[in-house]
Amino acid sequence: QVQLVESGGGLVRPGGSLRLSCAASGFTFTDYYMTWIRQAPGKGPEWISYISPSSNFISYADSVKGRFTISRDNAKNSLYLQMNRLRAEDTAVYYCTREPRLMGYWGQGTLVTVSS
Amino acid sequence: DVVMTQSPLSLPVTLGQPASISCRSSQNLVYSDGNTYLNWFHQRPGQSPRRLIYKVSNRDSGVPDRFSGSGSGTDFTLKISRVEAEDVGVYFCMQGAHGPFTFGGGTKVEIK
Repeated sequence: QVQLVESGGGLVRPGGSLRLSCAASGFTFTDYYMTWIRQAPGKGPEWISYISPSSNFISYADSVKGRFTISRDNAKNSLYLQMNRLRAEDTAVYYCTREPRLMGYWGQGTLVTVSS
Repeated sequence: DVVMTQSPLSLPVTLGQPASISCRSSQNLVYSDGNTYLNWFHQRPGQSPRRLIYKVSNRDSGVPDRFSGSGSGTDFTLKISRVEAEDVGVYFCMQGAHGPFTFGGGTKVEIK
């Protein structure tokens, strides 16, 4: 069965960096676009980035463009999100999902808290 | 950006009674491949969102048939034919037709 397991969240100071990982299993990773979604406390989900199977198509939400970088390692069935210059408003649970237009599968999420 | 507007914000329902949630988009959600990318999700407190319906009216595996989706263009509806206790939580619509992909603000369903 499809499994997505996020890791790497934690407490970080404003201006700091964090790298999130998502381990995928139960499907052919190289067949799918992958995406990162986040959900701030008490808010609805927000799409932030997607990446194509061969990494040649990448897109970001304006809210993270220039600060976050999505990547993937198909040999390791893994998705990543490098987050730099973090702000308080980046505090959220971060999820990886499969297929940005459909989002049929979600991980359990990893909490990122940006606070001094 | 496509704005997704859900109503109502809160929906108190009686067990066994029907419920209906509306979702309106600011643009037509038909993508260039001919599909309409309007999906519905359910989220319980402390859990990840779970997709219930994809491409307007297709129920996901394991989703009870009391859930149904309908609509076209910019106007969509999620219906629950007879609400059960496990249906409480927040329901979100989401469009995948036009980047950036966007979600509705959510409808909180609770039992009266």
